[in-house]
Amino acid sequence: GENVEQHPSTLSVQEGDSAVIKCTYSDSASNYFPWYKQELGKRPQLIIDIRSNVGEKKDQRIAVTLNKTAKHFSLHITETQPEDSAVYFCAASKNTGNQFYFGTGTSLTVIP
Amino acid sequence: KAGVTQTPRYLIKTRGQQVTLSCSPISGHRSVSWYQQTPGQGLQFLFEYFSETQRNKGNFPGRFSGRQFSNSRSEMNVSTLELGDSALYLCASSLAGINEQFFGPGTRLTVL
Repeated sequence: GENVEQHPSTLSVQEGDSAVIKCTYSDSASNYFPWYKQELGKRPQLIIDIRSNVGEKKDQRIAVTLNKTAKHFSLHITETQPEDSAVYFCAASKNTGNQFYFGTGTSLTVIP
Repeated sequence: KAGVTQTPRYLIKTRGQQVTLSCSPISGHRSVSWYQQTPGQGLQFLFEYFSETQRNKGNFPGRFSGRQFSNSRSEMNVSTLELGDSALYLCASSLAGINEQFFGPGTRLTVL
């Protein structure tokens, strides 16, 4: 089955700096890669996603890049703000239904 | 549009008992997936239901089962509860096909 690895497990940045979280996947058939943000005690919220026919996608301060050859994808957050502090999860899914394989999460702390 | 709802939000059971959790998807969403979230294992896929049929299944023992009704509402059942079943159980709904999943608030199950 699919195996998704996520690094780093914790990340602290100064407010205004950029944060990068990286994930690798093992199954070349995976073709959908969402990123979720989960604040303490709350549900995971989709923040951005990318499909395998696209190399990069941006939404304001958030961007995701995908390298299909190397089987890795990354989340980039620019101009970080304290409200960006949360746990971020990457996931991978194939075209066989909505079965998501999640990374183990990155706890991001933005220091004011 | 109302979001994904889950009931109950909190549940305390003892070992050996069984439990049923409920999930109501976003109106129009036909796919419901269930995940178990624990600090040690992260988010792990349990199963997915689409049009009342189990479409995908994760690597959980047969004590974990589910079903989906004609209105797309889904239930999951855990029989013969074990201490290790203590977790946050999340359901997520999505439109048919491979689309972004929207999570419910989860049911926090504690097994004593």
